Amino acid sequence: DVKVTQSSRYLVKRTGEKVFLECVQDMDHENMFWYRQDPGLGLRLIYFSYDVKMKEKGDIPEGYSVSREKKERFSLILESASTNQTSMYLCASSRQPRTSNQPQHFGDGTRLSIL
Amino acid sequence: GESVGLHLPTLSVQEGDNSIINCAYSNSASDYFIWYKQESGKGPQFIIDIRSNMDKRQGQRVTVLLNKTVKHLSLQIAATQPGDSAVYFCADINFGNEKLTFGTGTRLTIIP
Repeated sequence: DVKVTQSSRYLVKRTGEKVFLECVQDMDHENMFWYRQDPGLGLRLIYFSYDVKMKEKGDIPEGYSVSREKKERFSLILESASTNQTSMYLCASSRQPRTSNQPQHFGDGTRLSIL
Repeated sequence: GESVGLHLPTLSVQEGDNSIINCAYSNSASDYFIWYKQESGKGPQFIIDIRSNMDKRQGQRVTVLLNKTVKHLSLQIAATQPGDSAVYFCADINFGNEKLTFGTGTRLTIIP
């Protein structure tokens, strides 16, 4: 089974802090994704990566950055946390090739609260 | 998938009955569709998928139907069990832009 592990289930940080959310997958997947999930808005894509050291902006990248130094690890960074970034953050991974029916597999999420 | 507003649609079904969860999508060029199940406190879990060149696909106790003419997707769950209680949402992707679009979901409650 695919295992996507997010380092923290719950996290509380203060406004202005730099926050790191970590995600690791053990299936040698090329693609990795970061989403946030908010009531009534569903899942929104923040950033994604198709390869090591590669990143592309999703639909809501503002206020976030990412790092993919190793294939199995994809980090989401909140440069200066703000209260509107309080949310559930979900990491996902999938196999190449991109243009094929490859479902994304999700971690259990990190519930981040910014005070 | 498409946004259905601030409140999740809900569906309550008697244990043992069949349930049908519906989803409308907006992109007529979508190539691939996925149904996910999300239980409380967990991440979305893959259930079943279907490509746009198919109109039906069956799994264990689940069937997905695709109607491209009206851009509608449905998930049928047979003989529902208490463990089926969750939020279900569809997702679709166009291989040209490679981004998955998620619906906001339907909350399914199984009544014992």
